[in-house]
Amino acid sequence: LAKTTQPISMDSYEGQEVNITCSHNNIATNDYITWYQQFPSQGPRFIIQGYKTKVTNEVASLFIPADRKSSTLSLPRVSLSDTAVYYCLVGAPMNRDDKIIFGKGTRLHILP
Amino acid sequence: GAGVSQSPRYKVAKRGQDVALRCDPISGHVSLFWYQQALGQGPEFLTYFQNEAQLDKSGLPSDRFFAERPEGSVSTLKIQRTQQEDSAVYLCASSDGTVNEKLFFGSGTQLSVL
Repeated sequence: LAKTTQPISMDSYEGQEVNITCSHNNIATNDYITWYQQFPSQGPRFIIQGYKTKVTNEVASLFIPADRKSSTLSLPRVSLSDTAVYYCLVGAPMNRDDKIIFGKGTRLHILP
Repeated sequence: GAGVSQSPRYKVAKRGQDVALRCDPISGHVSLFWYQQALGQGPEFLTYFQNEAQLDKSGLPSDRFFAERPEGSVSTLKIQRTQQEDSAVYLCASSDGTVNEKLFFGSGTQLSVL
């Protein structure tokens, strides 16, 4: 089971681009990389998922290098409402021996 | 409903009481997960259902914890003889079980055991 490592916390300012990097050195061939966002008193919310190269949606971009041993979640022009905990998950969703495991996440604090 | 619904939103129990937490997943979602989240920590996996079958219950912390999903839709997490260490937020998530599986979470039930 691939383990992930991400910074415990990060601070940034409104309007800045924020990049959160996640290390997953033991990622397996069938594993996808998924990021979730969690606000206080709410369950986690899916942000983005990728397998390789770059994925972009209306919320964020996900950059995955060729070796797939890390990934970077990029949030463009953050606002105060982006203050949340961000979780990086690695796993093969259809492999039921592979639990969907959340780590401690990265607490992102956006300052005015 | 449009999303995953959990009830009650808050539950206070005296130590030793039994509690039952309910999860209504998104209609048609075959996969259902329960997680436990302590304050300041990430969600910890408890158990997983595919339809009515409980395929993984390795995360349940003790035999006081029991989950069921008898008709493959609504699920109940039951905790018997609650202890203070059971105080946490219990999150339910569902997914459609496809390859690019995305979990949809409810807002959780905050359990406080006094």
